[in-house]
Amino acid sequence: NAGVTQTPKFRVLKTGQSMTLLCAQDMNHEYMYWYRQDPGMGLRLIHYSVGEGTTAKGEVPDGYNVSRLKKQNFLLGLESAAPSQTSVYFCASRLFSGRGNQPQHFGDGTRLSIL
Amino acid sequence: DQQVKQNSPSLSVQEGRISILNCDYTNSMFDYFLWYKKYPAEGPTFLISISSIKDKNEDGRFTVFLNKSAKHLSLHIVPSQPGDSAVYFCAASLKNRDDKIIFGKGTRLHILP
Repeated sequence: NAGVTQTPKFRVLKTGQSMTLLCAQDMNHEYMYWYRQDPGMGLRLIHYSVGEGTTAKGEVPDGYNVSRLKKQNFLLGLESAAPSQTSVYFCASRLFSGRGNQPQHFGDGTRLSIL
Repeated sequence: DQQVKQNSPSLSVQEGRISILNCDYTNSMFDYFLWYKKYPAEGPTFLISISSIKDKNEDGRFTVFLNKSAKHLSLHIVPSQPGDSAVYFCAASLKNRDDKIIFGKGTRLHILP
């Protein structure tokens, strides 16, 4: 099993360009998450989804949109990239159990630079 | 408002000795706490968790202690090994809101030879 796969691994964009980051999981997990990691800031939640067709805002949602049309995929979109969105983006998935001890499974990240 | 705090950005420990990573929290409604480990250029991986109704959970070299009255937990690694050099994140989930996990900012552990 691949687990959680993020595409692409690296990308350089110019300010104002748009792009979509793809996250795919093969574990049939209900929950999926997008985080960004910046130096000294830890992992900050951008958006998340508790099931196919649902999305919710996290801690830092501005400038991002998401979609979960299929259970296994969670897409993160940047409509008009800004230098402040330069970061490493992590996707995670998690099994629904009604209990908070189910761990998240993370992808290896997408390193995004906005010039 | 930081609900999960890891106040030490980094920690250096001699190989073979005990590593103690600390985490403080402010919300008494957290019901599970989890520790993740992250190597450079990789995603975080789950290490160990503890329920808020327990005060200790052990898994091999890793033990997590929870002090609810102090709203403090710690991760002990004994003995520390070179492969333990990584960033460690403390995370917590809210009772009746298990969809969201709240992370601390992480502590970078260096194991010295």
